[in-house]
Amino acid sequence: DIQMTQSPSTLSASVGDRVTITCRASQTIRDWLAWYQQKPGKAPKLLIYKASSLESGVPSRFSGSGSGTEFTLTISSLQPDDFATYYCQQYNTYSFGRGTKLEIK
Amino acid sequence: EVQLVQSGAEVKKPGEPLKISCQGSGYGFINYWIAWVRQTPGQGLEWMGIIYPFNSETRYSPSFQGQVTFSVDKSLSTAYLQWSSLKASDTAVYYCARQRITMTSDAFDMWGQGTMVTVSS
Repeated sequence: DIQMTQSPSTLSASVGDRVTITCRASQTIRDWLAWYQQKPGKAPKLLIYKASSLESGVPSRFSGSGSGTEFTLTISSLQPDDFATYYCQQYNTYSFGRGTKLEIK
Repeated sequence: EVQLVQSGAEVKKPGEPLKISCQGSGYGFINYWIAWVRQTPGQGLEWMGIIYPFNSETRYSPSFQGQVTFSVDKSLSTAYLQWSSLKASDTAVYYCARQRITMTSDAFDMWGQGTMVTVSS
């Protein structure tokens, strides 16, 4: 089974900050990686697929990069609406990372 | 509107059966794989498996194989997740989600609102 390790588990930041979340796969997954945003009581929302492709309607301040086993999600300038939990997912066998909670500093 | 709408919250006792639903609308339901995802506070998001409504081809996560059953009713554009005998450890929020592309594995671009299942004696 492919394990996905996300870091950090919690991230404190301020509006306007640039933040980066990392996801590491236990074996190569090419670019079969997605990032989701989830707010309390809501379903996850797709942000990025194929490691770096921005889902339609998602603000351009979100970007993804990486291939193989190392991936990053970057938010270039945090907005108040961005404080949420972020998950990576490999869709070779569909497992998720444990999540990164992005909190207001 | 393109959406997945799930059935409402359930409260059940251990040993009871349960079937929850996920109805798609606004798109060609039978042409997109539907995944089921469990979310618990301790375990985060867990992929349970996936079903292709066109022919009911199903793939289960090894962690859920034999524990749950997926099915579809194409005439109702609805996918189902069922348990024959619930356990307390099945208490969670269950999401259905649509896979973006049919011909290969892909991300989930649309999610239902979630169904809370509580199993308690």
